[in-house]
Amino acid sequence: DTGVSQDPRHKITKRGQNVTFRCDPISEHNRLYWYRQTLGQGPEFLTYFQNEAQLEKSRLLSDRFSAERPKGSFSTLEIQRTEQGDSAMYLCASSFRSMGENNEQFFGPGTRLTVL
Amino acid sequence: AQSVTQLDSHVSVSEGTPVLLRCNYSSSYSPSLFWYVQHPNKGLQLLLKYTSAATLVKGINGFEAEFKKSETSFHLTKPSAHMSDAAEYFCVVSPGGYNKLIFGAGTRLAVHP
Repeated sequence: DTGVSQDPRHKITKRGQNVTFRCDPISEHNRLYWYRQTLGQGPEFLTYFQNEAQLEKSRLLSDRFSAERPKGSFSTLEIQRTEQGDSAMYLCASSFRSMGENNEQFFGPGTRLTVL
Repeated sequence: AQSVTQLDSHVSVSEGTPVLLRCNYSSSYSPSLFWYVQHPNKGLQLLLKYTSAATLVKGINGFEAEFKKSETSFHLTKPSAHMSDAAEYFCVVSPGGYNKLIFGAGTRLAVHP
């Protein structure tokens, strides 16, 4: 399967714990995006990278959240001191940008986080 | 600021009848608009996209959408629903083309035999 993959698919944690999610984009894609989807809502943009550079962060991304893409390939999203309000599906997407154009974003299956 | 409003949270149709999922957008300049579909336990999939070319856009699985600037609408239609069309559908706008995507709240489509 050459699509976007995310790990783990499900994570249950206790309030106050730290969690880290991983996203592996489609190999030739240079852009990587993180979104969060809560129950009954559409996904909300969190942040995106072009290669290893983080180009934009949403105000939703509090200081407890940090994302990295150290070598311009896979990315990690870490949440420190989790709160019950962090419970959501965390989606990763990737795309390829060239010649001033952006192409379709391909989404992974998501990581479902439950904070008890 | 750009946003989308999906006018129906749930739509129910019978198999073989037409589908209409309504979407209005708000944008300060010419937007890029999309429809994505999300089946249970599957990733989001792009159905179709509008990027200022033809106003009638054809997508996968027989879906199409028409961009109407005067009405600020981008409704999704399909002539004949199939059971496999049951899913969550999201209308999406993007500032500056394919940068971040701004999703609507979604419309859940149910298809009955």
